[in-house]
Amino acid sequence: AQTVTQSQPEMSVQEAETVTLSCTYDTSENNYYLFWYKQPPSRQMILVIRQEAYKQQNATENRFSVNFQKAAKSFSLKISDSQLGDTAMYFCAFMKHPPNTGNQFYFGTGTSLTVIP
Amino acid sequence: DTGVSQDPRHKITKRGQNVTFRCDPISEHNRLYWYRQTLGQGPEFLTYFQNEAQLEKSRLLSDRFSAERPKGSFSTLEIQRTEQGDSAMYLCASSLAGQGVPDTQYFGPGTRLTVL
Repeated sequence: AQTVTQSQPEMSVQEAETVTLSCTYDTSENNYYLFWYKQPPSRQMILVIRQEAYKQQNATENRFSVNFQKAAKSFSLKISDSQLGDTAMYFCAFMKHPPNTGNQFYFGTGTSLTVIP
Repeated sequence: DTGVSQDPRHKITKRGQNVTFRCDPISEHNRLYWYRQTLGQGPEFLTYFQNEAQLEKSRLLSDRFSAERPKGSFSTLEIQRTEQGDSAMYLCASSLAGQGVPDTQYFGPGTRLTVL
């Protein structure tokens, strides 16, 4: 079974500063995808960034980047130049690949990030 | 708005009643997923469809739960004889799956169920 662990229940960061959210996972699969989703208060879950396990290059989306360490089974999210709108719950998620052998996401318990003005 | 929509957004019911939720996926998406999220937890997978076929069900999905996607478009999730432990946010997600395309799921706003 796959497990996803987010060891930081809550974090805070000053506006314009950088913060890193950690995520580790456990799997025997070699091919899979990893995701970070953002869930603002009372709003729906939004995809932040995605990483394919076969790619060595870390994914980047504007102010968001990941540090993917496959051997260590680590997938951290770095948010640069934090903005007030980044305040949200962040979930790390794992999905096996290829499809049709189980497409469900395995989510971590989330990290609540507060950006302080 | 062409995102995933869910109806109703909130549902309060008494224990023992049946409830049904609806999810309308992004129109060209062929996969549809249901998750349950309780307070302070990440979403837990319940079931998913590829077109109209239900391909996988979690052990969390007891026999009181049933899901359908009759025409491969919208889906319904029904809970019979609701229990207080069913109180949660029920999330729907959809994706477009194809060879070489990462199966990225897009989530709806959820239906919050409260069982009294």
